[in-house]
Amino acid sequence: ETGVTQTPRHLVMGMTNKKSLKCEQHLGHNAMYWYKQSAKKPLELMFVYNFKEQTENNSVPSRFSPECPNSSHLFLHLHTLQPEDSALYLCASSHTQRGETQYFGPGTRLLVL
Amino acid sequence: SQQGEEDPQALSIQEGENATMNCSYKTSINNLQWYRQNSGRGLVHLILIRSNEREKHSGRLRVTLDTSKKSSSLLITASRAADTASYFCATDSSGGSNYKLTFGKGTLLTVNP
Repeated sequence: ETGVTQTPRHLVMGMTNKKSLKCEQHLGHNAMYWYKQSAKKPLELMFVYNFKEQTENNSVPSRFSPECPNSSHLFLHLHTLQPEDSALYLCASSHTQRGETQYFGPGTRLLVL
Repeated sequence: SQQGEEDPQALSIQEGENATMNCSYKTSINNLQWYRQNSGRGLVHLILIRSNEREKHSGRLRVTLDTSKKSSSLLITASRAADTASYFCATDSSGGSNYKLTFGKGTLLTVNP
């Protein structure tokens, strides 16, 4: 256990659905991250929050909407996704956003039909 | 462009043998990290080496860093079947006061019993 939990672990959704991914960290960290991992591609950074403020949006389509209500929780709201959005979505946290060790959750395996 | 790139893409060895994975990167770094990922799971941090360090050990892991060649290697000694996983290097890059990690595509290590 890394101290970072993600729910749900698996999600199947249609292109017209709206769903949310949740991440919670119990490590007292101040920076949280969303990554997308697709087959045969490097891990892609999507969003970064540092002290609840978004500091990085890596040109992510607006159908992905992040929310960080406090330093312990991070959400990724999904709507009108495309089949190519099917991937493993990983949440991570670190003490601060200073290139330090990141602690990852187990991921949400998303399938968009 | 991709910062870290691991080599080889896949490696298959017998239990008890040593495994060496390499990582090359393009721009200056503050530190380089190695992570491990079991199939479909989150990443687990293994070791961090700073730019002013040349070698670091942790248990059966040995990491080297050559900043002049912009490369690093991860050596796993006396491998076990449980070491079967994907291994990623990650380099930090600065964007003003914020940093982010850039991951390579990884090396898939298979340790056969």
